[in-house]
Amino acid sequence: NAGVTQTPKFQVLKTGQSMTLQCAQDMNHEYMSWYRQDPGMGLRLIHYSVGAGITDQGEVPNGYNVSRSTTEDFPLRLLSAAPSQTSVYFCASKPWGLAGDTDTQYFGPGTRLTVL
Amino acid sequence: GENVEQHPSTLSVQEGDSAVIKCTYSDSASNYFPWYKQELGKRPQLIIDIRSNVGEKKDQRIAVTLNKTAKHFSLHITETQPEDSAVYFCAASNYNTGNQFYFGTGTSLTVIP
Repeated sequence: NAGVTQTPKFQVLKTGQSMTLQCAQDMNHEYMSWYRQDPGMGLRLIHYSVGAGITDQGEVPNGYNVSRSTTEDFPLRLLSAAPSQTSVYFCASKPWGLAGDTDTQYFGPGTRLTVL
Repeated sequence: GENVEQHPSTLSVQEGDSAVIKCTYSDSASNYFPWYKQELGKRPQLIIDIRSNVGEKKDQRIAVTLNKTAKHFSLHITETQPEDSAVYFCAASNYNTGNQFYFGTGTSLTVIP
């Protein structure tokens, strides 16, 4: 299993540009989510999905779109990048509902995004 | 929504000493409390978790305690080693709904050899 994979690892954008951060998992997890991590602010949930065709907003959804057409993929789209979106982005997945003794999320390696 | 506060933000201990990190939460419906360790430039990884029907859980040198009445939970690391140096995050969730994890702001732990 590759687990949770993310591409790209690094990206530099100019203000107003658009891009898609890719996330894929091969563990057949129903639940997938996107977080952003900023210094001193921990991890904040952007959007999440509990299955193909189902998405919902987290704490900080503004400026981001998601879709879930397959169980494996959960891309995050920035339609018009802003400097405030400079951050490290983590995708995560987990089984829906109880999974044995733990309900842990498995994180991808992250994408470091800089918006100039 | 849930609000998770974590203290301290930085912690330095001598190798071999114990380290304690504390978190409080606001939503009494939260019933799942994981702790993650994040090394520099790496992804967060689960180190221990606890559910609300348990007061304490231990795994070798790490333990987590939960006080549901006071709505706080703590991470305890004993016999610290330099490789324990990292940022630690607590989180709270409701595993019945399982929709959102709320994270603390992190504690940067430095173990001095």
